[in-house]
Amino acid sequence: AQKVTQAQTEISVVEKEDVTLDCVYETRDTTYYLFWYKQPPSGELVFLIRRNSFDEQNEISGRYSWNFQKSTSSFNFTITASQVVDSAVYFCALSEKGYSTLTFGKGTMLLVSP
Amino acid sequence: DADVTQTPRNRITKTGKRIMLECSQTKGHDRMYWYRQDPGLGLQLIYYSFDVKDINKGEISDGYSVSRQAQAKFSLSLESAIPNQTALYFCATSDPHGSLSYNEQFFGPGTRLTVL
Repeated sequence: AQKVTQAQTEISVVEKEDVTLDCVYETRDTTYYLFWYKQPPSGELVFLIRRNSFDEQNEISGRYSWNFQKSTSSFNFTITASQVVDSAVYFCALSEKGYSTLTFGKGTMLLVSP
Repeated sequence: DADVTQTPRNRITKTGKRIMLECSQTKGHDRMYWYRQDPGLGLQLIYYSFDVKDINKGEISDGYSVSRQAQAKFSLSLESAIPNQTALYFCATSDPHGSLSYNEQFFGPGTRLTVL
């Protein structure tokens, strides 16, 4: 069975601080996909990034970066120089190749204050 | 226009009432899903459908039923609503074909349901 754990329920930072959101996953499949979604206060789900299990290349996109490590089953997400608009709930999710439903973590609420 | 739409966007109903949430998509995807979001619990899968003739239960299907009327439409029903079904409901679609599909799902805007 697949499982996603986001141990941080809420993080509070001051604007311009860097913040890392942790995600640990469990799966028995060798081919799987990982995702990060953002849910702002308005409620919609905004897709941020996806990775497959064969692509451990980490990526930087503007203020966002991702660290995927199969050895520790982690897929962490970092926001550099956080802004108030980054305040949202962030979800990590996992999908196994042969079973296309998503398993979500419980989410991390990020509060960025001015 | 949005690719995945949900109606209604907000609904308040009373205990015992039957209610239907509708989802439509213009993405041409075969696979559709219904998720429920409760505060602090993330999203949980209610039902999913891989094509018009296929319906599968998810983690929390009790108290819900679904209908896949066409490739583009997937409805979720609460036969007799109860207060603990108050939640945010999301519909999603995916297309498993193609090497780069990643099983990515595309979400609707959500329906906020309150059962009094």
